[in-house]
Amino acid sequence: KAGVTQTPRYLIKTRGQQVTLSCSPISGHRSVSWYQQTPGQGLQFLFEYFSETQRNKGNFPGRFSGRQFSNSRSEMNVSTLELGDSALYLCASSLLQWENTGELFFGEGSRLTVL
Amino acid sequence: SQQGEEDPQALSIQEGENATMNCSYKTSINNLQWYRQNSGRGLVHLILIRSNEREKHSGRLRVTLDTSKKSSSLLITASRAADTASYFCATDATQGGSEKLVFGKGTKLTVNP
Repeated sequence: KAGVTQTPRYLIKTRGQQVTLSCSPISGHRSVSWYQQTPGQGLQFLFEYFSETQRNKGNFPGRFSGRQFSNSRSEMNVSTLELGDSALYLCASSLLQWENTGELFFGEGSRLTVL
Repeated sequence: SQQGEEDPQALSIQEGENATMNCSYKTSINNLQWYRQNSGRGLVHLILIRSNEREKHSGRLRVTLDTSKKSSSLLITASRAADTASYFCATDATQGGSEKLVFGKGTKLTVNP
């Protein structure tokens, strides 16, 4: 069974641009969560989607958005990039809403560098 | 603010020794999980312990949970160089009306051959 796939793995953008990151969950998983990881702040929760609905949202500005498609694939978008958005963006999937299963399965991440 | 905080931030040991990492959290939880992350990679789930459990084992891993002290520990016995990684605890939390799985900042473990 294929794991969680995130694309692209690495990307470089400049301030003011926007970026779209993609996540394909494990087949059959309906919940997708996104996290931002930086050396200073650690892992910060961005949002969680379940069956195309955003269930939970972290404390990030509106420049960060996401969506989930009917096949459970998810995308997140960051508009008007700032230097501080440089981070490893991690996607995680679970069969059910995470509180019902507990375990998250993570992808390898998309490393975004903003210049 | 972080729900879970690991201690120590970094730990360096020799192969064969045991490694103990601690996690403290602030609010009541339903369960606590430990994850491992190799440098720059994704996280891998290690073990989940529920709030009504006190101890759990998985291979060379032993996790304890003390809900009265709001703390957990992860013990890796007979460590190997391949155990070198960062280890994170994660707890369920309700913050601002939103439920989420909140991670600590991790303990960076180095196992020297």
